[in-house]
Amino acid sequence: GQQVMQIPQYQHVQEGEDFTTYCNSSTTLSNIQWYKQRPGGHPVFLIQLVKSGEVKKQKRLTFQFGEAKKNSSLHITATQTTDVGTYFCAGNRVNAGKSTFGDGTTLTVKP
Amino acid sequence: DAGVIQSPRHEVTEMGQEVTLRCKPISGHDYLFWYRQTMMRGLELLIYFNNNVPIDDSGMPEDRFSAKMPNASFSTLKIQPSEPRDSAVYFCASSLAYPTNYGYTFGSGTRLTVV
Repeated sequence: GQQVMQIPQYQHVQEGEDFTTYCNSSTTLSNIQWYKQRPGGHPVFLIQLVKSGEVKKQKRLTFQFGEAKKNSSLHITATQTTDVGTYFCAGNRVNAGKSTFGDGTTLTVKP
Repeated sequence: DAGVIQSPRHEVTEMGQEVTLRCKPISGHDYLFWYRQTMMRGLELLIYFNNNVPIDDSGMPEDRFSAKMPNASFSTLKIQPSEPRDSAVYFCASSLAYPTNYGYTFGSGTRLTVV
């Protein structure tokens, strides 16, 4: 079945440093979604990427979808303490009833 | 809209007791999902419904777990009898249509502790 792997599992950074998490699928995807879960909270939908090579930005967050539509990345520039949490990718096949979530990357930011 | 509403927020029960978790999806959403989250296993899909009909329950751990969706605005997840290994955070999520096109909206979760 479809598998979605995320690396790294954990990332500790100093405030102001950059952060990147990577998502890799065993199969070609129709789209990929990213979620953020704050400590003690629930996953919150951030963004969806659909096109090959697509790049989207949300303030300090940059999301990229690979040319082959099998991998994706989330990059945070100049991390802040408000960025702490676990970032999940969810890989999707077209018109599928459910997403396949990665295991998440947990980011901690030291002030 | 108030979002996806789950109750209770916290539940502590003794092993062997029946536990019922409740979820009210966003009005108009066609899909409803139950997830379980633990440190060891991450986010696990237990079951999902489309238009109140169970579509995929392959993630339900065993016969002790059951889920129902009697109408478009309410779903339950029942564990009977509960065991300590069922301790986890249980999330309900809903989606407008194919979640792979629109994304999930998660509820705040129910933190279940079985002692």
